[in-house]
Amino acid sequence: DTGVSQNPRHKITKRGQNVTFRCDPISEHNRLYWYRQTLGQGPEFLTYFQNEAQLEKSRLLSDRFSAERPKGSFSTLEIQRTEQGDSAMYLCASSFLGPGNYGYTFGSGTRLTVV
Amino acid sequence: QKEVEQNSGPLSVPEGAIASLNCTYSDRGSQSFFWYRQYSGKSPELIMSIYSNGDKEDGRFTAQLNKASQYVSLLIRDSQPSDSATYLCAVNGEDSSYKLIFGSGTRLLVRP
Repeated sequence: DTGVSQNPRHKITKRGQNVTFRCDPISEHNRLYWYRQTLGQGPEFLTYFQNEAQLEKSRLLSDRFSAERPKGSFSTLEIQRTEQGDSAMYLCASSFLGPGNYGYTFGSGTRLTVV
Repeated sequence: QKEVEQNSGPLSVPEGAIASLNCTYSDRGSQSFFWYRQYSGKSPELIMSIYSNGDKEDGRFTAQLNKASQYVSLLIRDSQPSDSATYLCAVNGEDSSYKLIFGSGTRLLVRP
């Protein structure tokens, strides 16, 4: 097992375009998390899945953002009509138990640049 | 709003010295505490976790927790230039079994 995998590693898009990121968690992990990190800040929680159910969405996730985890395996995060303020590193993490038990491991992230 | 506060630094120490990184948190019900290391352009990497008051040692790293003071620290002994990175403190609260709240990180620079 190679850990949490995220694709693409980098994405440059024009303002107004739609983008989609993919996260493949560690295979036996049933919990999956998306975070966003901007320069000079710590990661901020976006959303959480337990199996295929999306159990919480942060208010940071505007209507332009949607996340899915079909069949409780990989997850996608889509941003519609991108804005320059969406430029950030998008991080995915997974865990078998809650992070309070052991923390969780992040993937390598997808760096989005909106021009 | 639950917060985790860290001094942004940079904290500059000479090679071989002890680096001391500090973090305070606002949610008194917080149960679990973590330190992540993040190299520039990379994702955060979990290096330490601590759940009860006192010290926890792992190699050159020691995490210290004082719940009464709502204070967590990370000591790095025999600092190496390869330790130069941003160190993120993360806390998960009593009411959230799945969400970590991160501080903004402290940038550590170890001078050769």
